[in-house]
Amino acid sequence: AQKVTQAQTEISVVEKEDVTLDCVYETRDTTYYLFWYKQPPSGELVFLIRRNSFDEQNEISGRYSWNFQKSTSSFNFTITASQVVDSAVYFCALSVYGSGNTGKLIFGQGTTLQVKP
Amino acid sequence: DADVTQTPRNRITKTGKRIMLECSQTKGHDRMYWYRQDPGLGLRLIYYSFDVKDINKGEISDGYSVSRQAQAKFSLSLESAIPNQTALYFCATSDFRQGAYGYTFGSGTRLTVV
Repeated sequence: AQKVTQAQTEISVVEKEDVTLDCVYETRDTTYYLFWYKQPPSGELVFLIRRNSFDEQNEISGRYSWNFQKSTSSFNFTITASQVVDSAVYFCALSVYGSGNTGKLIFGQGTTLQVKP
Repeated sequence: DADVTQTPRNRITKTGKRIMLECSQTKGHDRMYWYRQDPGLGLRLIYYSFDVKDINKGEISDGYSVSRQAQAKFSLSLESAIPNQTALYFCATSDFRQGAYGYTFGSGTRLTVV
């Protein structure tokens, strides 16, 4: 069975602080994809990144960076110099690719990030 | 226009009423999904469909039914709404082509059952 755990329910930081959101996943499949989504107060889901299981290279996009470590089954997300606009709920998700797969996304519980001015 | 459109965006309904949430897409994707979001639980899969004749239950299908009227349309029904079905509902489509593996979500339907 597959599972995604985001142990941090809520995080509160002051603007300009760096913050890391943790994501731990479980799957026995060798081919899978990991995602991060942002959900601002307006409610829509905003896609941030997709990473496949064969690509462990870390990625940086502006103030955002992602650290994928298969050895620890983790896909952590760091925001550098946080801003008030980063306040949102962040979801980590897993999709398994292979025969018979449903293609469904398995979501973590979400981490609510509050960035205070 | 949005690639995946959900209607209505917000709905308040009474306990026991039948309600339908609609989803249409212009992506041309075969696979469509309905998810439910509750605080602290993330998004959970209600139903999914591979094509018009292939509909499958997700992990929390009790109390819900779906209809895939066409490749582009996938509706979710609550036959007799109850308060614990109050939630944010998302429709999604998926594309598994090489290099394009991903999902497109609608903007969500906020449903309140009173």
